[in-house]
Amino acid sequence: AQSVTQPDIHITVSEGASLELRCNYSYGATPYLFWYVQSPGQGLQLLLKYFSGDTLVQGIKGFEAEFKRSQSSFNLRRPSVHWSDAAEYFCAVAPMFSGGYNKLIFGAGTRLAVHP
Amino acid sequence: EPEVTQTPSHQVTQMGQEVILRCVPISNHLYFYWYRQILGQKVEFLVSFYNNEISEKSEIFDDQFSVERPDGSNFTLKIRSTKLEDSAMYFCASVVVSYEQYFGPGTRLTVT
Repeated sequence: AQSVTQPDIHITVSEGASLELRCNYSYGATPYLFWYVQSPGQGLQLLLKYFSGDTLVQGIKGFEAEFKRSQSSFNLRRPSVHWSDAAEYFCAVAPMFSGGYNKLIFGAGTRLAVHP
Repeated sequence: EPEVTQTPSHQVTQMGQEVILRCVPISNHLYFYWYRQILGQKVEFLVSFYNNEISEKSEIFDDQFSVERPDGSNFTLKIRSTKLEDSAMYFCASVVVSYEQYFGPGTRLTVT
């Protein structure tokens, strides 16, 4: 069955430090890959996505993610964390079927806290 | 920037009552979805909707649930007889191309 694993439930970093949030997926083929962010009381905002091509993708707010097929991973990175980055981050996959817009399968999320 | 809106932001209901959660997707979007997130758990897919019919539904989406696009702009999720375990945040999403699902802010449903 398709699944997404985010091994870190909580992460705390200092402002200005670098950040990497891990995501691994289990699927028979390379799916479409996404990172969403959820601030308290807010909906889910798309940070970035990977469909094909360059395995390093840039997103909004200075985030980037790298797809590694050999590791079935799609880790999210931020070179220098800002206090406003404190939120919950979700990795998601969508099966790469033709002719349809398929459901997203989410990981459990990683809650990021930022120390000043 | 266009956005998905949801009403109400918070709904409290008694067990056994019917609730309707409303969503207004982005106007040119064609595919619509409902997801839910029980407190402290992951976001789960409920149902997808295209061309006025259900495309896919999860095991969660049983006979107590229904969806409708009554007027070309609203997209509703109805729960006929709510249970305590239906308490969750419900998110609506829509997409036009490229699998980029745009999510609404959610409706928090509390069943007492």
